[in-house]
Order: sequence, then C-alpha cells, then structure tokens
Amino acid sequence: NAGVTQTPKFQVLKTGQSMTLQCAQDMNHEYMSWYRQDPGMGLRLIHYSVGAGITDQGEVPNGYNVSRSTTEDFPLRLLLAAPSQTSVYFCASSYSAGLSATEAFFGQGTRLTVV
Amino acid sequence: KNEVEQSPQNLTAQEGEFITINCSYSVGISALHWLQQHPGGGIVSLFMLSSGKKKHGRLIATINIQEKHSSLHITASHPRDSAVYICAVRRGGSEKLVFGKGMKLTVNP
Repeated sequence: NAGVTQTPKFQVLKTGQSMTLQCAQDMNHEYMSWYRQDPGMGLRLIHYSVGAGITDQGEVPNGYNVSRSTTEDFPLRLLLAAPSQTSVYFCASSYSAGLSATEAFFGQGTRLTVV
Repeated sequence: KNEVEQSPQNLTAQEGEFITINCSYSVGISALHWLQQHPGGGIVSLFMLSSGKKKHGRLIATINIQEKHSSLHITASHPRDSAVYICAVRRGGSEKLVFGKGMKLTVNP
C-alpha cells in the first residue's frame, strides 16, 4: 500500500498564480483533510471531507478550494496565490466511524513559497 | 488560550535518558493522538488512545481523561528520537483534529 501520496513536494508560485496540490490515499479512508503548518503554530485545518461528494471548511479556508469526487482523491486548489499562503501543507486521511475512528495517516508535505 | 497545550516547548537530552512529554487539553475528546515529525518534514502517527496506556517499543503513551492530560514517555532515548512530537485531540462528536504546537526534542550522543 502506498498510504497517502501528496504531490508536489516543493513548489514556488508567483503572486496571483493558481495551482492544485494533489492528495490520494489507497486505504479506502472516509475522512480526508488538508492542513497548513506555519512556524510557531500547530497544524491548522483548511478543509476536510467525510466522504465522496462531501466537503466542509476548517479553521483557515479562505483562498482555498477542495472537491472530493472519489473516495481516493482530495485535491486542494489555490485560486490566486498570495504570499500569506507560503507554508507547508499536509494532507491526511483516516477511517472515520465515530468512536471507531482510526489513527491518521499523513502525506509527506508540500513546501509552498509564494513570491 | 489554545485548546491543546504541550510542555516543554523544547527539550535537549543525553542519549539514554528517560524523557517525558506532556499534553494538556481543555475540551471533551473522543481520542488523543501522538505524532512524530522528523527534520525531513514527514508526520508519522505514533499512538491513538482514548483511555489508559499504550506501549510500542521504547515509547509509552498514557492518558488521564478526568485530568485532561496525556504523557508520552521515551525510555533509553537515542539520537534518532530527535524530532518534533505533536499532540492532537479529536473533539467528542467530531472527526476534526486540534493540534498542539509541538515539542522539539534533541537527543545528543
């Protein structure tokens, strides 16, 4: 099993450009989420999904879009990149069934710089 | 005030020492996660627990639900244990995780 595959690992964007961060998991997990990690702060939730066709906003959703057309894939789109979006991004997944939720599996991270 | 607080924020230890990392939280939870992030950046799940104690190799995690507190212990620490250790809680009735800021551990040979 590949687990959670996140691409790209590094990216530099110019202000105003758009891009998509890819996230795929092969564990048939229902719950997928995107976080950003900034110095001195804990991981913050951007968007999440509890299953195909269902997405919702997290703590810091502005400037990002998501979709969940399949169980496996959960891409994160930056529509108009801004320097404030310079960060390290992590995708994560888990099997979620209320009290039976499992441990979380994380992608390797994407280091994004917006100049 | 953050919902999840970790202490200490940084810790330097000598190889072989017994290490304790603490996590306190202020919300009702269904589970608590301990995660490890190495300098390369990847995040790995170490434990998920909702009560009692779990052990894996040299790592032991405990949780006290009444006191809203968890500890991660590392026995016979080794330089390869150097990493950031992150505590995260899953709020009761939610799939969302709330993260602490992490604790940077350096183990010197």
